[in-house]
Amino acid sequence: EDQVTQSPEALRLQEGESSSLNCSYTVSGLRGLFWYRQDPGKGPEFLFTLYSAGEEKEKERLKATLTKKESFLHITAPKPEDSATYLCAVQETGGRRALTFGSGTRLQVQP
Amino acid sequence: KAGVTQTPRYLIKTRGQQVTLSCSPISGHRSVSWYQQTPGQGLQFLFEYFSETQRNKGNFPGRFSGRQFSNSRSEMNVSTLELGDSALYLCASRRTRDTTDGYTFGSGTRLTVV
Repeated sequence: EDQVTQSPEALRLQEGESSSLNCSYTVSGLRGLFWYRQDPGKGPEFLFTLYSAGEEKEKERLKATLTKKESFLHITAPKPEDSATYLCAVQETGGRRALTFGSGTRLQVQP
Repeated sequence: KAGVTQTPRYLIKTRGQQVTLSCSPISGHRSVSWYQQTPGQGLQFLFEYFSETQRNKGNFPGRFSGRQFSNSRSEMNVSTLELGDSALYLCASRRTRDTTDGYTFGSGTRLTVV
């Protein structure tokens, strides 16, 4: 059974203080690993898809990386508007297309 | 470009009643999935529809059902509501089943069962 574990559960940063969020996963075969951002009262917003170990993707202050067992979301010089819950999800190979989500990391960036 | 539209946004129902939630995917998206989000269990997969056929189903009781219409719009139904069904129900769409594009989620329907 697919498993996704995110750490830490919550993270408080000062504006400009860089850090990383972790997503550890167990899956029989990885079709894709997804990162989403979710603001209170809204649905998750797609950030990145990573497909294979060694892959990296960047968007503004965010950079996602992937190994065979985990993914990191690096946040460089965060701003208060980066405050949100960041969700990681995996999709396995095979016919099933469902995403298995981690419980998320609640990020708060203080000015 | 319009996003995924879910209606209603908020709903309050009494235990034992049934409820129908609606989802209009992004134009051109034919794959629609439903997820339940609760503080305790996080996001859990309910089911996926493509070309009006259910392709996958999560580990939820038969009280949870859904369907997809020829225009790709989808509905989910929960019968005999229980207090534990209170949750944010999210619909997500993407172009096809085989793409590895990220799903686009709607803002959800907040269901409260009293």
